[in-house]
Amino acid sequence: SAVISQKPSRDICQRGTSLTIQCQVDSQVTMMFWYRQQPGQSLTLIATANQGSEATYESGFVIDKFPISRPNLTFSTLTVSNMSPEDSSIYLCSVEEASGGRNIQYFGAGTRLSVL
Amino acid sequence: QKEVEQDPGPLSVPEGAIVSLNCTYSNSAFQYFMWYRQYSRKGPELLMYTYSSGNKEDGRFTAQVDKSSKYISLFIRDSQPSDSATYLCAMSGSGGSYIPTFGRGTSLIVHP
Repeated sequence: SAVISQKPSRDICQRGTSLTIQCQVDSQVTMMFWYRQQPGQSLTLIATANQGSEATYESGFVIDKFPISRPNLTFSTLTVSNMSPEDSSIYLCSVEEASGGRNIQYFGAGTRLSVL
Repeated sequence: QKEVEQDPGPLSVPEGAIVSLNCTYSNSAFQYFMWYRQYSRKGPELLMYTYSSGNKEDGRFTAQVDKSSKYISLFIRDSQPSDSATYLCAMSGSGGSYIPTFGRGTSLIVHP
């Protein structure tokens, strides 16, 4: 499977600031995904990012709060803007790969964000 | 009611025990069923996936799907302390891009 690298692995940020998370894949992929994993909660899809087009956001997530870039087929960034303590979470980057006639999602190690 | 229900645990078992992890779901359109394992401070890694009903075995792991009951299970035989992790079930419908719906995850602790 693809090797997915996320940076930073963790960060502690002040309220009102922004953090940009980077996701690098070792192969070209069409679609990249950004998830949020809050303590005790299931993984929640924030948005899907295709190269060359605007990201598609899920209900409850907006571009002003979570702007995403996808400049090429191996890289994407997610920015968490104007952070509040409620944004403290794990943010995960994911890619799809074909397996057994089906696309399966694989994940990076995640970025652990704490907002004070 | 959530689409996918999974008991968060923690589930604590002695080494060597048979572990049963389960999820129920409400969406009858789900056709693909996955189990991910997530170690502390790591991202989820795919353990197994199955299509429709039936069993699938991979080493000490067996995935079971009962679509009539909307119930899936992951069995771990001869559990080891290294199996201690959070196990997430995930499922999706057929066709198109695969974007799964995840359960909350069950925390498993295997103590020596």
